[in-house]
Amino acid sequence: GEDVEQSLFLSVREGDSSVINCTYTDSSSTYLYWYKQEPGAGLQLLTYIFSNMDMKQDQRLTVLLNKKDKHLSLRIADTQTGDSAIYFCAEDPGGGNKLTFGTGTQLKVEL
Amino acid sequence: NAGVTQTPKFQVLKTGQSMTLQCAQDMNHNSMYWYRQDPGMGLRLIYYSASEGTTDKGEVPNGYNVSRLNKREFSLRLESAAPSQTSVYFCASSESSPVYGYTFGSGTRLTVV
Repeated sequence: GEDVEQSLFLSVREGDSSVINCTYTDSSSTYLYWYKQEPGAGLQLLTYIFSNMDMKQDQRLTVLLNKKDKHLSLRIADTQTGDSAIYFCAEDPGGGNKLTFGTGTQLKVEL
Repeated sequence: NAGVTQTPKFQVLKTGQSMTLQCAQDMNHNSMYWYRQDPGMGLRLIYYSASEGTTDKGEVPNGYNVSRLNKREFSLRLESAAPSQTSVYFCASSESSPVYGYTFGSGTRLTVV
């Protein structure tokens, strides 16, 4: 089957903006999520967007959704070293509460 | 609150050995899940339980069995471990509403030699 796709790595300088992209698979997904995984830890929910929204802002995080292209992005403003982690997007195919995760993007923040 | 607790945190098995990974949540969630995480492949669903007394296969169930012992506990069993099952295993739970997403445990790192 199709995979939820993300680029594997992203490197940014501290203070810059980071943009992490995701292409999901199911146009009937109701919710789309972004999770953060720090080394040696489980995943933590960062934010989500409902499928009838185009954009959602939450402090330094901005989520953009393009349903036509099945494209989701996460923008982190003023990126800090504490933002270094793996970021996963996830969808709920068919609107059920059973998530499909992307491959994850490793974000490295350099001084 | 502890959230989702997984034991053990690390385990090394020989090929053919069996073991059970334990997971418990204290948030009164109905749904629980087992995922495995492999490099470059993200998280793949092994089994899930939508409610106490029910379990269903996910994307990669072969070689695994599960038990939803009660509302709190959801265990994953490897009957005859294989090197291909070397992975990091995560348990997660969720409320019925998808708005809150999943709460994950801290994972079990399993190596099969």
